Amino acid sequence: DIQMTQSPSTLSASVGDRVTITCRASQNIIVHLAWYQQKPGKAPNLLIYRASTLESGVPSRFSGSGSGTEFTLTIASLQPDDFATYYCQQYYIYATFGQGTRVEI
Amino acid sequence: EVQLVESGGGLTQPGRSLKLSCTTSGFTFGDYSLTWLRQAPGKGLEWVAFIRGKPSYGTTEYAASVKGRFTISRDDSKSITYLQMNSLKTEDTALYYCNYWQGEQYFHLWGQGTQVTVSS
Repeated sequence: DIQMTQSPSTLSASVGDRVTITCRASQNIIVHLAWYQQKPGKAPNLLIYRASTLESGVPSRFSGSGSGTEFTLTIASLQPDDFATYYCQQYYIYATFGQGTRVEI
Repeated sequence: EVQLVESGGGLTQPGRSLKLSCTTSGFTFGDYSLTWLRQAPGKGLEWVAFIRGKPSYGTTEYAASVKGRFTISRDDSKSITYLQMNSLKTEDTALYYCNYWQGEQYFHLWGQGTQVTVSS
């Protein structure tokens, strides 16, 4: 099984900050990685797929990078609506999610 | 417009069974693979099972945590996917989501899920 490890687990930030979340895979997943945002009581929302492709309708302040085993999600300038939990997901072999990163004020 | 509507959840006891349904619309059902995922209270997301669409139609894969207990199926005539859950355990308590994909198993759109609670 492919394990996905996100860091940090919790991130404290302010509006306007540049935020980076890291996701590491236990083996090479090439670019088969997606990022989701989830707010309390809501279903996840796809932000990025293929490691760096922005989903339609997602603000351009979100970006993804990386390949192989190390990936990052960057929010260029944190907005009030961005306080949420973020998950990475590999889909190279079946699907595995990271444990989540909570972005809080 | 694509819609995914999960149903069939509820409260049940350990060892019992439950069958979830996911009614879909807005896409060519037979062309897509279907996946069930879950999220335990306060926890992260977990892939549960999937059933392939064309060209490997009907083949299935399961997470180790549910293999041998859960069965995924599909009815293309009704655009519905099912998750039959047997020998339920307390750790199966979660919000269950269905989803669809083609080629790459990431998920553009999510339903609201159906809650399954296993408790004595």
